[in-house]
Parts: sequence; structure tokens; C-alpha cells
Amino acid sequence: SAVISQKPSRDICQRGTSLTIQCQVDSQVTMMFWYRQQPGQSLTLIATANQGSEATYESGFVIDKFPISRPNLTFSTLTVSNMSPEDSSIYLCSASGTVNTEAFFGQGTRLTVV
Amino acid sequence: KQEVTQIPAALSVPEGENLVLNCSFTDSAIYNLQWFRQDPGKGLTSLLLIQSSQREQTSGRLNASLDKSSGRSTLYIAASQPGDSATYLCAVNQGAQKLVFGQGTRLTINP
Repeated sequence: SAVISQKPSRDICQRGTSLTIQCQVDSQVTMMFWYRQQPGQSLTLIATANQGSEATYESGFVIDKFPISRPNLTFSTLTVSNMSPEDSSIYLCSASGTVNTEAFFGQGTRLTVV
Repeated sequence: KQEVTQIPAALSVPEGENLVLNCSFTDSAIYNLQWFRQDPGKGLTSLLLIQSSQREQTSGRLNASLDKSSGRSTLYIAASQPGDSATYLCAVNQGAQKLVFGQGTRLTINP
């Protein structure tokens, strides 16, 4: 299993600003992902974080709003840019060793935009 | 487009009861299905992973079954305890490890 640490665990931000969330895995993993969980909703995949190349975004999510980095096999960041109150959600990092194996999640970052 | 539905949305039972949570999905072309637990304001804890070729998986008091052809999975919890109170989520993997989640079942076990 993989242990995933996210920072910060929570934050309150002013609209129009940006927040970068960090995700650190305790072992090398092939695949890393970012999900969003809006209040009272289930999880929605934002993007696949590709090591050494641009992330792959799901429909409805764009790089300008959610830039993602993955410089190595254990670390990724998600930035929420030009925030509005609609961005208030829990953002979760996920990792898997290989395809079709168990997915592990961090404890999430609870973001409130005021 | 894959849709995952969990019934019931909420469930409250007395301690000690056995219970079943349901998950259904519309597209049977999945690689695996995973059950998670989420405590309020927290991340997800993986409970069980069932590959598409498997029928069930067991871990302690938990047993998950998968009927891929009918698009259904169940999570059976035996001898429920107050510490089992949480939201339970099922998610299907349609490939490239991209998970599609249900809305969850919020479970309350009353002492």
C-alpha cells in the first residue's frame, strides 16, 4: 500500500487568488491523479498527473484553471487559480502502483473561498 | 457515459446488525471495482478491490461481491459496530485507472 500526504489539509482563501496543493507519496508510483469533491457530492476526476509531461485533463477541467506538475514518481502539485467561491471543495490526490491495481488517496485538502 | 448509483443514500441501524450496501453501474466494461470508506471531512480509505474476473473479496467483517454482467456490487458488513459509521463509496475503474464514483451511502450505527 501507499501512504499519501497532502498539504495543506485545509485553507481559507480570498477570491481571485491561487492556492497550490502538494501531494507526496511514500513510494514510487506509476500513476497519480487529482479529484475534486464538491460539498455534498461524490468525487470527480480532474486530471491524470503525468511524470515529466503535461497532465491529461478530463472534460470540464482546463490547464489554465488547474495547472498540475509532477516532477518525479513520488510528488505532484495541483494549483487552483483565480479562485471563486464555486471552487470551494475538497481536493484529493490519488496514486496507484500500476493500472488495474488498488487506488490510494490522501486525506484531502478542504478549500474554502471567500 | 458510465454512471454509478448507490442505494440507499443513508442507512441507520442498531449495533450488531448485519447489513448490505448496494452499488450499480451502467457500463459493464470495467477493469475492477473498489469500495472505500470516508469519514467526515477526511480522505478515502480503501476497503476492498474486486477485479472484473472475480466474484467476491473478503476482509475481516467485510465481504464485497461483483456481478459484472448485471452491473451490480454489494458490500456486506457483518456484526456492525459504531466505529463503522462513515460514508461508503464504490468506484469503478474503466481503464487507465480512472475511477467513476457513486454518490455514497451514509451509514450510522447506533449503540
